[in-house]
Amino acid sequence: GAGVSQSPSNKVTEKGKDVELRCDPISGHTALYWYRQRLGQGLEFLIYFQGNSAPDKSGLPSDRFSAERTGESVSTLTIQRTQQEDSAVYLCASSLAAGGTEAFFGQGTRLTVV
Amino acid sequence: GQNIDQPTEMTATEGAIVQINCTYQTSGFNGLFWYQQHAGEAPTFLSYNVLDGLEEKGRFSSFLSRSKGYSYLLLKELQMKDSASYLCAVRDIGGQNFVFGPGTRLSVLP
Repeated sequence: GAGVSQSPSNKVTEKGKDVELRCDPISGHTALYWYRQRLGQGLEFLIYFQGNSAPDKSGLPSDRFSAERTGESVSTLTIQRTQQEDSAVYLCASSLAAGGTEAFFGQGTRLTVV
Repeated sequence: GQNIDQPTEMTATEGAIVQINCTYQTSGFNGLFWYQQHAGEAPTFLSYNVLDGLEEKGRFSSFLSRSKGYSYLLLKELQMKDSASYLCAVRDIGGQNFVFGPGTRLSVLP
């Protein structure tokens, strides 16, 4: 596609429910990143994919968070048993694998846990 | 690990020049990036430095000193629309991950 696409754009869920957030990167971009941004805060790194592998999962806040990527394309971030502190905007970005190229961001998914 | 620091907030006047600083400590380095983020929107790419020196792109310039772990973003002829958060990010050489600083919220006043 022309840009990074994320869905849904907004999600309201009840505490304790599971949610899945989807990211479609720019075609041909082998690197894919997930970040969390709480209101008024900076970007908190969650996980990074190179192809379908995740060399760096260090940012996942807890074992309730998981992510996968298939076909070197779509990625899904899953949050199980959501908590109110999970409320944030979840941003996905993609870039070419070669060093020195910028990452392009999607518009994000605004998650609200009530 | 990586540690990136920026001032939290800055204020400047329309038409003026402002410099936003970024310092970083990283285990590897493969480029420093600046992004602009308007409230409620996704970050958009502004500039990239991998070698020491100044990169100029219109009203925006970015400088890098690798030996000092220091960069700045220079905005000239400020406009009201430049009111936004400016994010400094470092790409590490190993995993090619992007790590972002906390961002600097710039307010441009008339």
